Amino acid sequence: DAGVTQSPTHLIKTRGQQVTLRCSPKSGHDTVSWYQQALGQGPQFIFQYYEEEERQRGNFPDRFSGHQFPNYSSELNVNALLLGDSALYLCASSPANRVRESSYNEQFFGPGTRLTVL
Amino acid sequence: AQRVTQPEKLLSVFKGAPVELKCNYSYSGSPELFWYVQYSRQRLQLLLRHISRESIKGFTADLNKGETSFHLKKPFAQEEDSAMYYCALRSYNTDKLIFGTGTRLQVFP
Repeated sequence: DAGVTQSPTHLIKTRGQQVTLRCSPKSGHDTVSWYQQALGQGPQFIFQYYEEEERQRGNFPDRFSGHQFPNYSSELNVNALLLGDSALYLCASSPANRVRESSYNEQFFGPGTRLTVL
Repeated sequence: AQRVTQPEKLLSVFKGAPVELKCNYSYSGSPELFWYVQYSRQRLQLLLRHISRESIKGFTADLNKGETSFHLKKPFAQEEDSAMYYCALRSYNTDKLIFGTGTRLQVFP
Protein backbone atom coordinates (compact mmCIF):
# COMPACT_ATOMS: atom_id res chain seq x y z
CA ASP A 1 0.00 0.00 0.00
CA ALA A 2 1.52 3.29 -1.10
CA GLY A 3 -0.44 5.13 1.53
CA VAL A 4 -2.03 8.47 0.72
CA THR A 5 -0.97 9.74 -2.69
CA GLN A 6 -1.33 13.23 -4.09
CA SER A 7 -0.89 14.72 -7.54
CA PRO A 8 0.70 16.73 -8.87
CA THR A 9 3.79 17.19 -6.72
CA HIS A 10 4.33 20.79 -7.75
CA LEU A 11 2.20 23.29 -9.59
CA ILE A 12 2.72 26.86 -10.73
CA LYS A 13 -0.25 29.06 -11.57
CA THR A 14 -0.90 32.75 -12.07
CA ARG A 15 -3.33 34.96 -10.20
CA GLY A 16 -6.93 34.52 -11.23
CA GLN A 17 -6.47 31.01 -12.54
CA GLN A 18 -8.15 27.90 -11.22
CA VAL A 19 -6.43 24.76 -9.91
CA THR A 20 -7.43 21.17 -9.12
CA LEU A 21 -5.43 19.00 -6.76
CA ARG A 22 -6.01 15.28 -6.39
CA CYS A 23 -5.77 12.80 -3.54
CA SER A 24 -6.09 9.03 -3.29
CA PRO A 25 -6.64 7.77 0.24
CA LYS A 26 -4.89 4.91 1.94
CA SER A 27 -6.45 1.52 1.23
CA GLY A 28 -9.44 0.92 3.51
CA HIS A 29 -9.96 4.61 4.29
CA ASP A 30 -13.18 6.37 3.43
CA THR A 31 -12.67 9.88 4.81
CA VAL A 32 -10.48 12.56 3.27
CA SER A 33 -9.44 15.85 4.84
CA TRP A 34 -7.59 18.72 3.17
CA TYR A 35 -5.16 21.09 4.87
CA GLN A 36 -3.29 24.18 3.71
CA GLN A 37 0.21 24.72 5.06
CA ALA A 38 1.70 28.12 4.37
CA LEU A 39 5.45 28.60 4.74
CA GLY A 40 6.48 28.58 8.39
CA GLN A 41 3.00 27.67 9.59
CA GLY A 42 1.26 24.53 10.74
CA PRO A 43 -1.37 22.86 8.57
CA GLN A 44 -4.78 24.58 8.55
CA PHE A 45 -7.94 22.54 8.08
CA ILE A 46 -9.85 23.34 4.89
CA PHE A 47 -12.59 20.71 4.84
CA GLN A 48 -13.36 17.03 5.15
CA TYR A 49 -15.26 14.67 2.86
CA TYR A 50 -17.11 11.54 3.86
CA GLU A 51 -19.59 9.56 1.79
CA GLU A 52 -19.05 12.01 -1.08
CA GLU A 53 -20.25 14.96 0.97
CA GLU A 54 -18.49 17.83 2.69
CA ARG A 55 -18.89 17.08 6.35
CA GLN A 56 -16.83 19.74 8.09
CA ARG A 57 -15.30 22.99 6.91
CA GLY A 58 -12.64 25.29 8.24
CA ASN A 59 -12.39 29.04 7.85
CA PHE A 60 -11.78 29.17 4.10
CA PRO A 61 -13.71 31.13 1.46
CA ASP A 62 -16.04 29.57 -1.08
CA ARG A 63 -13.25 29.76 -3.66
CA PHE A 64 -12.10 26.53 -2.06
CA SER A 65 -14.31 23.62 -2.99
CA GLY A 66 -13.95 19.90 -3.16
CA HIS A 67 -15.34 16.66 -4.29
CA GLN A 68 -15.17 13.02 -3.26
CA PHE A 69 -15.69 10.19 -5.70
CA PRO A 70 -17.29 6.78 -5.10
CA ASN A 71 -13.82 5.22 -4.82
CA TYR A 72 -13.12 7.69 -1.93
CA SER A 73 -10.53 9.69 -3.87
CA SER A 74 -10.92 13.43 -3.63
CA GLU A 75 -10.23 16.69 -5.41
CA LEU A 76 -9.57 20.15 -4.05
CA ASN A 77 -10.47 23.03 -6.36
CA VAL A 78 -9.39 26.60 -5.84
CA ASN A 79 -10.86 29.34 -8.05
CA ALA A 80 -9.62 32.87 -8.68
CA LEU A 81 -6.19 32.15 -7.25
CA LEU A 82 -4.52 34.77 -5.08
CA LEU A 83 -0.84 35.12 -4.26
CA GLY A 84 -1.72 34.15 -0.69
CA ASP A 85 -2.93 30.75 -1.86
CA SER A 86 0.68 29.72 -2.40
CA ALA A 87 1.22 26.87 0.05
CA LEU A 88 1.68 23.16 0.51
CA TYR A 89 -1.69 21.42 0.29
CA LEU A 90 -1.93 18.26 2.34
CA CYS A 91 -4.47 15.52 2.04
CA ALA A 92 -5.13 13.17 4.95
CA SER A 93 -7.25 10.05 5.00
CA SER A 94 -8.74 8.18 7.92
CA PRO A 95 -10.12 4.70 8.20
CA ALA A 96 -13.64 3.39 8.15
CA ASN A 97 -15.12 1.39 11.05
CA ARG A 98 -15.64 3.98 13.70
CA VAL A 99 -16.06 2.47 17.14
CA ARG A 100 -18.14 5.44 18.16
CA GLU A 101 -18.87 8.73 16.48
CA SER A 102 -16.85 10.77 18.95
CA SER A 103 -13.75 8.62 18.66
CA TYR A 104 -10.79 9.81 16.64
CA ASN A 105 -9.47 7.74 13.78
CA GLU A 106 -5.86 8.58 13.01
CA GLN A 107 -5.36 10.73 9.95
CA PHE A 108 -2.63 9.58 7.58
CA PHE A 109 -1.08 12.36 5.56
CA GLY A 110 0.06 12.45 1.98
CA PRO A 111 3.28 14.10 0.76
CA GLY A 112 1.45 17.23 -0.32
CA THR A 113 1.18 19.34 -3.45
CA ARG A 114 3.26 22.51 -3.54
CA LEU A 115 1.24 25.28 -5.21
CA THR A 116 2.96 28.48 -6.27
CA VAL A 117 0.83 31.39 -7.45
CA LEU A 118 2.66 34.08 -9.41
CA ALA B 1 -11.19 30.49 20.31
CA GLN B 2 -9.43 27.21 19.74
CA ARG B 3 -5.71 27.69 19.39
CA VAL B 4 -2.44 25.83 19.76
CA THR B 5 0.72 27.73 20.59
CA GLN B 6 4.24 26.44 20.17
CA PRO B 7 6.47 29.26 21.39
CA GLU B 8 9.77 27.93 20.06
CA LYS B 9 10.50 27.82 16.34
CA LEU B 10 13.81 26.07 16.90
CA LEU B 11 15.22 23.98 19.72
CA SER B 12 18.84 22.83 19.53
CA VAL B 13 20.34 20.30 21.92
CA PHE B 14 23.25 17.90 22.03
CA LYS B 15 22.82 14.16 21.88
CA GLY B 16 21.99 12.75 25.31
CA ALA B 17 20.53 15.99 26.63
CA PRO B 18 16.91 16.19 27.82
CA VAL B 19 14.36 17.69 25.47
CA GLU B 20 11.11 19.52 26.17
CA LEU B 21 9.05 20.92 23.33
CA LYS B 22 6.40 23.27 24.61
CA CYS B 23 2.76 23.31 23.59
CA ASN B 24 -0.05 25.38 25.07
CA TYR B 25 -3.64 25.28 23.96
CA SER B 26 -6.81 27.27 24.23
CA TYR B 27 -10.03 25.26 24.18
CA SER B 28 -13.28 25.37 26.10
CA GLY B 29 -14.16 21.80 26.93
CA SER B 30 -12.25 18.55 27.04
CA PRO B 31 -9.51 18.69 24.44
CA GLU B 32 -7.88 15.82 22.68
CA LEU B 33 -4.23 16.55 21.97
CA PHE B 34 -1.63 15.06 19.70
CA TRP B 35 1.96 15.39 18.69
CA TYR B 36 2.75 14.97 15.00
CA VAL B 37 6.30 14.67 13.63
CA GLN B 38 7.80 15.26 10.22
CA TYR B 39 11.26 13.84 9.58
CA SER B 40 13.32 15.18 6.69
CA ARG B 41 11.79 14.26 3.31
CA GLN B 42 9.02 12.28 4.99
CA ARG B 43 5.37 12.98 5.44
CA LEU B 44 3.65 14.20 8.55
CA GLN B 45 2.88 11.34 10.93
CA LEU B 46 1.30 10.86 14.32
CA LEU B 47 3.81 10.52 17.15
CA LEU B 48 1.52 10.21 20.13
CA ARG B 49 -1.86 11.20 21.54
CA HIS B 50 -2.64 12.09 25.11
CA ILE B 51 -5.50 9.61 25.43
CA SER B 52 -3.26 6.60 24.90
CA ARG B 53 -0.75 7.74 27.55
CA GLU B 54 2.01 5.84 25.79
CA SER B 55 5.69 6.44 25.21
CA ILE B 56 6.76 6.43 21.59
CA LYS B 57 10.46 6.47 20.68
CA GLY B 58 11.13 7.53 24.26
CA PHE B 59 8.86 10.57 24.01
CA THR B 60 6.06 11.24 26.48
CA ALA B 61 3.57 14.05 26.85
CA ASP B 62 1.26 14.78 29.75
CA LEU B 63 -1.88 16.84 29.45
CA ASN B 64 -1.96 19.52 32.14
CA LYS B 65 -5.43 21.03 32.11
CA GLY B 66 -4.58 23.57 34.81
CA GLU B 67 -1.77 25.04 32.74
CA THR B 68 -3.46 24.14 29.41
CA SER B 69 -0.23 22.55 28.28
CA PHE B 70 0.83 19.37 26.51
CA HIS B 71 4.61 19.51 26.46
CA LEU B 72 6.59 16.79 24.70
CA LYS B 73 9.53 15.37 26.63
CA LYS B 74 12.38 12.97 26.15
CA PRO B 75 15.07 12.38 28.76
CA PHE B 76 17.93 11.67 26.33
CA ALA B 77 17.78 13.09 22.82
CA GLN B 78 19.11 11.12 19.86
CA GLU B 79 20.33 12.47 16.53
CA GLU B 80 17.49 10.67 14.76
CA ASP B 81 15.00 12.76 16.76
CA SER B 82 15.89 15.77 14.61
CA ALA B 83 12.64 16.73 12.90
CA MET B 84 9.77 19.17 12.82
CA TYR B 85 7.27 18.64 15.64
CA TYR B 86 3.68 19.87 15.58
CA CYS B 87 1.28 19.93 18.47
CA ALA B 88 -2.38 19.54 17.43
CA LEU B 89 -5.77 19.81 19.06
CA ARG B 90 -8.89 17.99 17.98
CA SER B 91 -12.29 19.57 18.40
CA TYR B 92 -14.67 17.24 20.21
CA ASN B 93 -16.78 15.09 17.92
CA THR B 94 -14.94 16.20 14.80
CA ASP B 95 -11.84 15.10 12.96
CA LYS B 96 -10.70 18.68 12.46
CA LEU B 97 -7.16 19.12 13.73
CA ILE B 98 -5.85 22.51 14.80
CA PHE B 99 -2.09 22.64 14.53
CA GLY B 100 0.50 24.85 16.12
CA THR B 101 3.21 26.48 14.05
CA GLY B 102 5.70 23.74 14.84
CA THR B 103 9.09 23.48 16.51
CA ARG B 104 12.18 22.31 14.69
CA LEU B 105 14.30 20.08 16.91
CA GLN B 106 17.97 19.82 16.04
CA VAL B 107 20.04 17.24 17.90
CA PHE B 108 23.77 17.68 17.48
CA PRO B 109 26.26 14.81 17.89
